[in-house]
Amino acid sequence: EDKVVQSPLSLVVHEGDTVTLNCSYEVTNFRSLLWYKQEKKAPTFLFMLTSSGIEKKSGRLSSILDKKELFSILNITATQTGDSAVYLCAVRRSNDMRFGAGTRLTVKP
Amino acid sequence: NAGVTQTPKFQVLKTGQSMTLQCAQDMNHEYMSWYRQDPGMGLRLIHYSVGAGITDQGEVPNGYNVSRSTTEDFPLRLLSAAPSQTSVYFCASSYVGRSTEAFFGQGTRLTVV
Repeated sequence: EDKVVQSPLSLVVHEGDTVTLNCSYEVTNFRSLLWYKQEKKAPTFLFMLTSSGIEKKSGRLSSILDKKELFSILNITATQTGDSAVYLCAVRRSNDMRFGAGTRLTVKP
Repeated sequence: NAGVTQTPKFQVLKTGQSMTLQCAQDMNHEYMSWYRQDPGMGLRLIHYSVGAGITDQGEVPNGYNVSRSTTEDFPLRLLSAAPSQTSVYFCASSYVGRSTEAFFGQGTRLTVV
């Protein structure tokens, strides 16, 4: 059965800390892996990864994919209170997209 | 830019009632999908469509129907609402056959009493 598993499910850190969020997957017909940030409403897109070993970066956020070991990580450095959100990992298959349960990140001042 | 538009934003139904959640996109995306989000469970796929006239079931299709008569619209029908269908519903769209992100509507919060 296809699955996308995120860990940890929740995380509390202080401003300035660095965090690593994990996403492992077992799916058929893999096309890409996507990371989304969800605050109060709709998920907003962060990264899409299709090839192993190529790090994507956007400011303090970065992500990498390992297609051999079937996982991805999302790193956030120098965390800020505005980073508090649920981070969702999704795997795009040939015809649909499946999500993990998400990691709830809380950044305390 | 409208993107993906969902209506209504909020809805309260009584058990046994039926209703349709609307979803429209103006990006000419072939792929459209419906998800429900419950606490601690991420987004679960209900139904999806890869083009007009084509629909398929996702992970949790029971109690829901969809149709895709046009590229732009993908309504989700609840045939006989149950309290277990209380959830936040998201519609998403994207291109098919390319590795692109999916765009989400703002969600519909549905409560079944």
